[in-house]
Amino acid sequence: GDSVTQMEGPVTLSEEACLTINCTYTATGYPSLFWYVQYPGEGLQLLLKATKADDKGSNKGFEATYRKETTSFHLEKGSVQVSDSAVYFCALVNFGNEKLTFGTGTRLTIIP
Amino acid sequence: DADVTQTPRNRITKTGKRIMLECSQTKGHDRMYWYRQDPGLGLRLIYYSFDVKDINKGEISDGYSVSRQAQAKFSLSLESAIPNQTALYFCATSDSSGDHYNEQFFGPGTRLTVL
Repeated sequence: GDSVTQMEGPVTLSEEACLTINCTYTATGYPSLFWYVQYPGEGLQLLLKATKADDKGSNKGFEATYRKETTSFHLEKGSVQVSDSAVYFCALVNFGNEKLTFGTGTRLTIIP
Repeated sequence: DADVTQTPRNRITKTGKRIMLECSQTKGHDRMYWYRQDPGLGLRLIYYSFDVKDINKGEISDGYSVSRQAQAKFSLSLESAIPNQTALYFCATSDSSGDHYNEQFFGPGTRLTVL
């Protein structure tokens, strides 16, 4: 079945540091890939998505590129802020299955 | 106003009690989902519904039941709560058509504690 493996946390960085959170997936066919973010005390929000190979999703300074050859969708940001502190989930949905499969989440803490 | 609302937001109950968690949405989406979140396990799908007459089990449906009372309402019930059902529960919706196909929109969550 489909699965998502993402970088174990927690991750602690200083403000303005570079961020990479790794995500790899196993799926048949051509899934769509997502990053969701969960701020403290809130539900999940879609951060960005990519629906086909080599697509780059971007939002709020975050980027992720759909790499079919390495089955990866790593989340990156060049300069993090304290307000980026949250839990980040990588997820996929496969055409025909149409249910989200989530990774276990990575907690990110940014210190001033 | 929130597009996806959940009630209650917090609930403490005792083992063996019946409890219902409710979800309502104003997004006009046809699909609705219930997930539970446990530390280190991410989100796991309990039940999902693609329309009012379509209910499907997810990966961890044992001990839970659902009711889709209308397109906008999807309730999750624990018939006899047990402590390992202590978790954060999320409702989500999605639209089966249009530009946001397969994007899911989440409610704020219900924190359930079973003593």
